[in-house]
Amino acid sequence: GENVEQHPSTLSVQEGDSAVIKCTYSDSASNYFPWYKQELGKGPQLIIDIRSNVGEKKDQRIAVTLNKTAKHFSLHITETQPEDSAVYFCVRSGNQGGKLIFGQGTELSVKP
Amino acid sequence: DTEVTQTPKHLVMGMTNKKSLKCEQHMGHRAMYWYKQKAKKPPELMFVYSYEKLSINESVPSRFSPECPNSSLLNLHLHALQPEDSALYLCASSQDKGGGNEQFFGPGTRLTVL
Repeated sequence: GENVEQHPSTLSVQEGDSAVIKCTYSDSASNYFPWYKQELGKGPQLIIDIRSNVGEKKDQRIAVTLNKTAKHFSLHITETQPEDSAVYFCVRSGNQGGKLIFGQGTELSVKP
Repeated sequence: DTEVTQTPKHLVMGMTNKKSLKCEQHMGHRAMYWYKQKAKKPPELMFVYSYEKLSINESVPSRFSPECPNSSLLNLHLHALQPEDSALYLCASSQDKGGGNEQFFGPGTRLTVL
């Protein structure tokens, strides 16, 4: 089906700890998996993306892994900071050009 | 300029009003999108324009009417809306509509229908 399952729906961590968000999908045709961060009162912003020919990608404190065989992908944030607090969406490319399929979102709270 | 701008930021309208939402980008992108986002939910795609032509309409009610006057502008005309249409309306753009293109989102218009 089209859906992307995202877990957990809420995540609370202490500043400095790591945060992990996991997503699964069922459409094997997907080949583009972006992650968006949405802060309160703002539109979603791309933070990292990964394509199906790559298993892992890292950008400073953020890393994403993709297992195409198992159809799951994950976001890892290390050394979390209060400004990481936001809603994070995992996304996969849909079958129609331009269509993105969003997960339900994870509300991350980083406590100082 | 790597920004998508949307006006107005907030809009309150009655069910008999006609209003328009506006979106603008100057990144040379040829695909533009309208999304609707309810509180604590992900964005839901409404329309996709590619090279100023409507490419995808996700079965959106006709009280929402999109328009793409040129490659930098995207409008959403609203008429006879219902209270359940109250939401954050997000505009986005990308280089083109092919899969794998980053979509840049604007800050949204917060719409309240009374």
